[in-house]
Amino acid sequence: NAGVTQTPKFRILKIGQSMTLQCTQDMNHNYMYWYRQDPGMGLKLIYYSVGAGITDKGEVPNGYNVSRSTTEDFPLRLELAAPSQTSVYFCASTYPDINEQYFGPGTRLTVT
Amino acid sequence: GENVEQHPSTLSVQEGDSAVIKCTYSDSASNYFPWYKQELGKRPQLIIDIRSNVGEKKDQRIAVTLNKTAKHFSLHITETQPEDSAVYFCAASTGAAGNKLTFGGGTRVLVKP
Repeated sequence: NAGVTQTPKFRILKIGQSMTLQCTQDMNHNYMYWYRQDPGMGLKLIYYSVGAGITDKGEVPNGYNVSRSTTEDFPLRLELAAPSQTSVYFCASTYPDINEQYFGPGTRLTVT
Repeated sequence: GENVEQHPSTLSVQEGDSAVIKCTYSDSASNYFPWYKQELGKRPQLIIDIRSNVGEKKDQRIAVTLNKTAKHFSLHITETQPEDSAVYFCAASTGAAGNKLTFGGGTRVLVKP
C-alpha cells in the first residue's frame, strides 16, 4: 500500500492564482481530512469528509473548497490565493471505528 | 468547540533524562487523546494514544496519563535519546463528526547528547 499520497510536494503561487492540492489514499478509509500547519504551529482542520459525496467545514475553511467524488480522492481547491495561505498542507485518513489518522507527506505552498 | 492547550512550547533535556509534556482540553465529551511526533520536514506520526476509560498507558520508554476530572493529559518520555528530538503534538477528539482531532500547539523537544 502507498498509504496517503499528496501532490505536488512544493508549489509557489502568485497572489490571486488558483490551484488544486491532490490527496489519494489506497486504504479504503471512509474518513479524510485536510489540515494546514503554519510555521512553528499546530495543525488546524480545514475540511473533512466522512464518505464519498459528504464534506464538512473544519476550523479554518475560508478560502478553500473540497469535493469527494470517490472514496480514494479528496482534493483541496484554493481560489484566489493570498499570502495568508502560505503553509504546509497535510491530508489524512482513517476508518470510522479507529481513531489513528494516517498522514500524507504534505504539500509546502508559498503564496507571493 | 474543543480547545487544546499544550505546555511547554520548547523543552531541552540532557540525554538520559526524562521529558514531560502537558496538555489540557476544554470539552468534557472528549474521549480519545493521541500524541503525534513530527520530525523536521516530515509528516506527523502517532506514537501513543489513550482513551477516556483508561488512566495510564505505557509503551517502552513512552507513557501517557489522563486525568478526566481535571481535563488534562501528559506525555512522559524516559531515558531520552537524541532521536527523540522532534516536535510533539497532543490532540483530543469526542469521536463525533468524523472523529475530528483538535491539536495542541506543539512542543519542540531537544535532547542534548
